[in-house]
This record gives sequence, structure tokens and C-alpha cells, in this order.
Amino acid sequence: DAKTTQPTSMDCAEGRAANLPCNHSTISGNEYVYWYRQIHSQGPQYIIHGLKNNETNEMASLIITEDRKSSTLILPHATLRDTAVYYCIVRVTYNNNDMRFGAGTRLTVKP
Amino acid sequence: ETGVTQSPTHLIKTRGQQVTLRCSSQSGHNTVSWYQQALGQGPQFIFQYYREEENGRGNFPPRFSGLQFPNYSSELNVNALELDDSALYLCASSRDSLMRGYTFGSGTRLTVV
Repeated sequence: DAKTTQPTSMDCAEGRAANLPCNHSTISGNEYVYWYRQIHSQGPQYIIHGLKNNETNEMASLIITEDRKSSTLILPHATLRDTAVYYCIVRVTYNNNDMRFGAGTRLTVKP
Repeated sequence: ETGVTQSPTHLIKTRGQQVTLRCSSQSGHNTVSWYQQALGQGPQFIFQYYREEENGRGNFPPRFSGLQFPNYSSELNVNALELDDSALYLCASSRDSLMRGYTFGSGTRLTVV
């Protein structure tokens, strides 16, 4: 699975959009981009995933660049409860292989 | 639908002892993965079970072993515990036919003294 690079930490004001970047320059054509988050003392929570098209669900939007070498997770209106560590993972999904987590980005939403 | 449940939530063991951690997967899920998360780090993949067979293993020694049962629940066994085994152990389940990601439990916090 391809490696990802994320900033160590980010801050965001409550009510504003949080934009979390991820670089995955060695991604292969059959690898998906997954995002998870982990709130303190809980297990990681699935947020969203995509292959090459932009995706949106009730939690977030995922923007993948045309060359697929980077992506951005967007939380449109961050709340204090969105404070968490956010993990960007690239993997091939069809073989149901493991998810390999990096260190993630610690997002702090401030009042 | 029920989520992933892990037991116990906390555990203290002495170095050299053996421990068994348990995981009940989400209803309809046939794949279970186990992860170790040391303090301040991301989860590290231990191994995965699919339909009762090991289906991939991370960089962990053989004293880490597992089982998956016909109802798709799972156990993680660690022998000869070391101080560095102190961590949060996470179980995640999924279904092979689903594109969606894993559902994680809240973990078992193991402390080795």
C-alpha cells in the first residue's frame, strides 16, 4: 500500500470549514483513499473513501486531485466534537487487505 | 445493527504472563482485523482473519496469535508478555463484499507491569 504524508497538527475555528490535506504521490491506479478519525480513547471511525471522483457524505467531503497524488478531507462546519486525530490511508480494497495507519493529523477545533 | 464489542475494556498483566482478548464482530461481517496502538501512535496491523483463516499478518512475532470462530467472533492471544506490549488493542470487522471501511471496537487497554 502507498505511503501517505499528513501534517502533524492543525487548528480550526468552530463553525468554519476544516481542510485536512494528504499527500499520496506513489498511489497506484487501483488504490482507494480512505479517511478515518479517532476521538480520544475510542476506536477509529470510518469517514469517507474515494477512488478518483470527489465524494460527499453526511460527515465530510473528499476532494482528490486529478493526478490522484493528493487529497483533501473537508469538514464543512467543524464543531468541538470534531477534535480528533484524522488518518488518511490508501489501499486496494477488493482483496480486503489490512488498513495501514500512519501518525495522522491531530485536528483541534477551537471555540 | 450491533457494532463491534471488545472485552475486557482494561486489563493489567505481569511480564511473562499470557493474555486473551475477545472481539465480537458487527452483524453480517465475516472479516476481523486486530491492531495494536501504542500511546501517541497510529494503530499497527497485527493480523486479519477471514472465514476462520488467517488472511494476512503484520510485523508481529509468533507469540501474537489469533482465532476466528464460526460466528466470526475472534480472539487475540499474546504469550510471554513484555512491557512493550502495553497498548490499546483494537478489533475491526468488515464484510468482503462491502467497499465501506472497517468498523472498529473501542479497544482493550492492556498494561503489562
